[in-house]
Amino acid sequence: AQSVTQLGSHVSVSEGALVLLRCNYSSSVPPYLFWYVQYPNQGLQLLLKYTTGATLVKGINGFEAEFKKSETSFHLTKPSAHMSDAAEYFCAVRAAGNKLTFGGGTRVLVKP
Amino acid sequence: SQTIHQWPATLVQPVGSPLSLECTVEGTSNPNLYWYRQAAGRGLQLLFYSVGIGQISSEVPQNLSASRPQDRQFILSSKKLLLSDSGFYLCAWGQLTGNTIYFGEGSWLTVV
Repeated sequence: AQSVTQLGSHVSVSEGALVLLRCNYSSSVPPYLFWYVQYPNQGLQLLLKYTTGATLVKGINGFEAEFKKSETSFHLTKPSAHMSDAAEYFCAVRAAGNKLTFGGGTRVLVKP
Repeated sequence: SQTIHQWPATLVQPVGSPLSLECTVEGTSNPNLYWYRQAAGRGLQLLFYSVGIGQISSEVPQNLSASRPQDRQFILSSKKLLLSDSGFYLCAWGQLTGNTIYFGEGSWLTVV
């Protein structure tokens, strides 16, 4: 079975500072991993995904994530936070049947 | 390009009343379809999953049901709503051979 753990339900960063959101997974098969972003009262938007190949994945809005098999991690980073990055972020792993298992989410607050 | 729509966006219903949330996908055929629920503080929970017309898998026992009367239409229903059914409901789609799931805008349900 697959599972996802996101460390920290809330993260506060200053505008211009590094954003780091942590995600660890467990999977019985080679994982496909995803990060989604959710703005208030909206659906989820795909930020980036890892399937195979290069372990450093670049996504939209300046975000990137690195797949580390030895650490079973897929942490999301952005070098410089912007006010528009305030949102909730979800890490997910693909399970059997093309279903996704999500972490609990991390809400990001950006301080001016 | 593919699009997904769900409605209504917001719904306030009394306890014991019926529910119908609709979701349609355009620009693709034979998609996998999903209903997720996002309850406060509980992350995203997969409710139903469908790989084709009339084929519904229920992921958790609950007061809800789903139907897929047409290839690109997915309906979430209840005969009698409970207070615990309140939450943000998200429809999503993915390709059978793909690895990414795309979400609709979501529907807020408040049971009073």
